Amino acid sequence: GESVGLHLPTLSVQEGDNSIINCAYSNSASDYFIWYKQESGKGPQFIIDIRSNMDKRQGQRVTVLLNKTVKHLSLQIAATQPGDSAVYFCAERKDGGSQGNLIFGKGTKLSVKP
Amino acid sequence: EPEVTQTPSHQVTQMGQEVILRCVPISNHLYFYWYRQILGQKVEFLVSFYNNEISEKSEIFDDQFSVERPDGSNFTLKIRSTKLEDSAMYFCASGRDRNTEAFFGQGTRLTVV
Repeated sequence: GESVGLHLPTLSVQEGDNSIINCAYSNSASDYFIWYKQESGKGPQFIIDIRSNMDKRQGQRVTVLLNKTVKHLSLQIAATQPGDSAVYFCAERKDGGSQGNLIFGKGTKLSVKP
Repeated sequence: EPEVTQTPSHQVTQMGQEVILRCVPISNHLYFYWYRQILGQKVEFLVSFYNNEISEKSEIFDDQFSVERPDGSNFTLKIRSTKLEDSAMYFCASGRDRNTEAFFGQGTRLTVV
């Protein structure tokens, strides 16, 4: 069935380094993917999204890469800061669903060391 | 910056009781959503709501659940007869339309005792 999962449950990086958070998905027909950041006690916060007709999309300090051949999604954070410490979720849109009808992964906890 | 607001932040209820969780979506958004997140687990989609009716729902969203937009600003999730396993964070979200990203509220922590 459809599922979105994560390679690593935790990631620890040094402040200033780049972070890469990975995600695997199983539905090759998925056409929309999104990354959310969740800080402790808060709701998921939109970071960046990408449609399946693209391989790469850049935002402010963040880049999402989509490799449809191996069904892999990654989030790159440049010059990681302490404020980036959070759990990061990837999600894919359910087939034919609205943009909020999402299947979430388990999350990767990013810790930034000063 | 406009945001989705949810009340209360924490709700404790006895098993078998009805509970209503409240949300005020972003004002110019047309799509509304509820999700839940059981402690330590994934965020799970429950339901989407558009034009005063349910647009999509997951298998989790059974007859125990209902949603309503009672007025022009509020969007509610009702759980009719709560069970212990309903304890979770419940997130409301809204989107401008069907094809734009959903923005989440801070969540309501529901504890069923």
